[in-house]
Amino acid sequence: AQKITQTQPGMFVQEKEAVTLDCTYDTSDQSYGLFWYKQPSSGEMIFLIYQGSYDEQNATEGRYSLNFQKARKSANLVISASQLGDSAMYFCAMREASGGYQKVTFGTGTKLQVIP
Amino acid sequence: DTAVSQTPKYLVTQMGNDKSIKCEQNLGHDTMYWYKQDSKKFLKIMFSYNNKELIINETVPNRFSPKSPDKAHLNLHINSLELGDSAVYFCASSPYQETQYFGPGTRLLVL
Repeated sequence: AQKITQTQPGMFVQEKEAVTLDCTYDTSDQSYGLFWYKQPSSGEMIFLIYQGSYDEQNATEGRYSLNFQKARKSANLVISASQLGDSAMYFCAMREASGGYQKVTFGTGTKLQVIP
Repeated sequence: DTAVSQTPKYLVTQMGNDKSIKCEQNLGHDTMYWYKQDSKKFLKIMFSYNNKELIINETVPNRFSPKSPDKAHLNLHINSLELGDSAVYFCASSPYQETQYFGPGTRLLVL
């Protein structure tokens, strides 16, 4: 089974609108972490936001917020007031224990295009 | 100022050659990683070192050998390069069990 599932290969959003990028995960660990990274066309991987499994509040970082629904095993990224510079690939990732160490698994990504 | 740096940024080479990619981090992190991103953008971990000790070794051909001379460096040596090795290789670092920060990537093209 996929550890991280991103069902939207591509998304369009109008500039200044909000957009939600979906992510569901699969783990039997009680303690785990969820991340979102942005990869613009220039190629670098930029850390956006983190949510720990025991965090009761949804994580927020500026225009980014993580809609964490533990029972549904979902960790959707919400980008408010989209900007042209938000056009990029977005990766959801999960850190969980593996053989006594923490391992991070990435989803297949969602390509977001912001339309002027 | 660069937190995680990789050299070279681009690498074009012939099949059968041996090449190395270097990674350095100045963040004081304990753990470093190598990832491979294929042409479909799928990112997969290859290796992880914690305090110079190998802790994660995914199913990677023996032609790939990581080396960590100290906590701040993690190099990747690839022997007998094959066409399928063409990809972007990312180095990353993190404090133990915390958020990973990525280098700019090395774009490897094997001809």
